[in-house]
Amino acid sequence: EVQLVESGGGLVQPGRSLRLSCTTSGFTFGDYAMSWVRQAPGKGLEWVGFIRSKTYGGTTAYAASVEGRFTISRDDSKSIAYLQMNSLKTEDTAVYSCCRVYGGYDYHAFFDYWGQGTLVTVSS
Amino acid sequence: DIVMTQSPDSLAVSLGERATINCKSSQSVLHSSNNKNYLAWYQQKPGQPPKLLIYWASTRESGVPDRFSGSGSGTDFTFTITSLQAEDVAVYYCQQYYTTPFTFGPGTKVDIK
Repeated sequence: EVQLVESGGGLVQPGRSLRLSCTTSGFTFGDYAMSWVRQAPGKGLEWVGFIRSKTYGGTTAYAASVEGRFTISRDDSKSIAYLQMNSLKTEDTAVYSCCRVYGGYDYHAFFDYWGQGTLVTVSS
Repeated sequence: DIVMTQSPDSLAVSLGERATINCKSSQSVLHSSNNKNYLAWYQQKPGQPPKLLIYWASTRESGVPDRFSGSGSGTDFTFTITSLQAEDVAVYYCQQYYTTPFTFGPGTKVDIK
């Protein structure tokens, strides 16, 4: 059974940093691109970014709203994806979910498995 | 960026009746190289993460009931629930994956009338 479990969320002050983890099981992690999607309270879905599999160079892409502040990485030996969030702003407050990119579509990502998400609250 | 819009914002349908949601993209998501539309639909129930229902605009994900269907091409797409069940109450989102940034529609809330 495919499972994705996010951790690391919490309350953080504006300008500070936070690192989220997405621990996965039930599939060969290294074969898949992984993505992060966020949802502000009561709002819709916003794609944050993704990291391609090593087969596709492990390269990343980000939404403009987080480019330069957020970094996605992966540890294929541990089957974990990370979201490093720096210079956090109040508008980054959201539930952050990691998602598995449908197999093989590392350049055109849609998402077949989602974690439950972890809440990040940016407030002073 | 490709902007996705959906209509209506919400709708209420009687059990067993049809629910139809429209999704429009600000530019075509039809890839000329393979004639595929890079458009997916998701269902999100309260307190749950989204669930993939449809991709390539009309391909049903494994295990998804056949009362859910998608159609359309280019910039205009339709999602249909042919016979609404109580468990279909949810918010439905379209998403384009033609190019980054991948973008979602604002969602359509489906309720029982």
